[in-house]
Amino acid sequence: AQSVTQLDSHVSVSEGTPVLLRCNYSSSYSPSLFWYVQHPNKGLQLLLKYTSAATLVKGINGFEAEFKKSETSFHLTKPSAHMSDAAEYFCVVSDPTGGGNKLTFGTGTQLKVEL
Amino acid sequence: GAVVSQHPSRVICKSGTSVKIECRSLDFQATTMFWYRQFPKQSLMLMATSNEGSKATYEQGVEKDKFLINHASLTLSTLTVTSAHPEDSSFYICSARDSGLLYGYTFGSGTRLTVV
Repeated sequence: AQSVTQLDSHVSVSEGTPVLLRCNYSSSYSPSLFWYVQHPNKGLQLLLKYTSAATLVKGINGFEAEFKKSETSFHLTKPSAHMSDAAEYFCVVSDPTGGGNKLTFGTGTQLKVEL
Repeated sequence: GAVVSQHPSRVICKSGTSVKIECRSLDFQATTMFWYRQFPKQSLMLMATSNEGSKATYEQGVEKDKFLINHASLTLSTLTVTSAHPEDSSFYICSARDSGLLYGYTFGSGTRLTVV
């Protein structure tokens, strides 16, 4: 079975400072991992995805994430936060063997960016 | 990039009526589509998975007779909420997956359903 744990339900940073959103996963095989962002009353936008290629994945809007198998982590980072980054972020895992095509979502992290 | 169009974005209906939500993949063929429900300030809950031309697979606890899913073509899936009640009010989001995972999982913009 696959699962995702987002360690922080809320993260607050100042504009211009680094962002770290933490995610740990559990999967029976080599998973695909994603980070999505959701603005209020909107659908989800893909930030980046890991599908067994390079472990450091670069995404849109300056975000990146590093897949660390030994730590079963896939933390999302950004060097400098912008006000427009304030949103809900979901870490998502897809295990093609154990979960079929299904995505399993973390509970989300609300990112707040302050002036 | 891949785009999934979901309509309507908002709908208000009377209790007891049915509502249809459409999800279209605009520039790729979606072999699999997913329907999610999201309650305020919560994560997405998978309701069902549909593959083109076959019956949808519903998650445990989801009433298939209440939430009718049709995936008649590789670019269109519909969710019909039948005999809607206020407790069905929620944010519904569809997602489409291409067979080669070239685009990953692309999400629609969601439908806010309010049953009065």
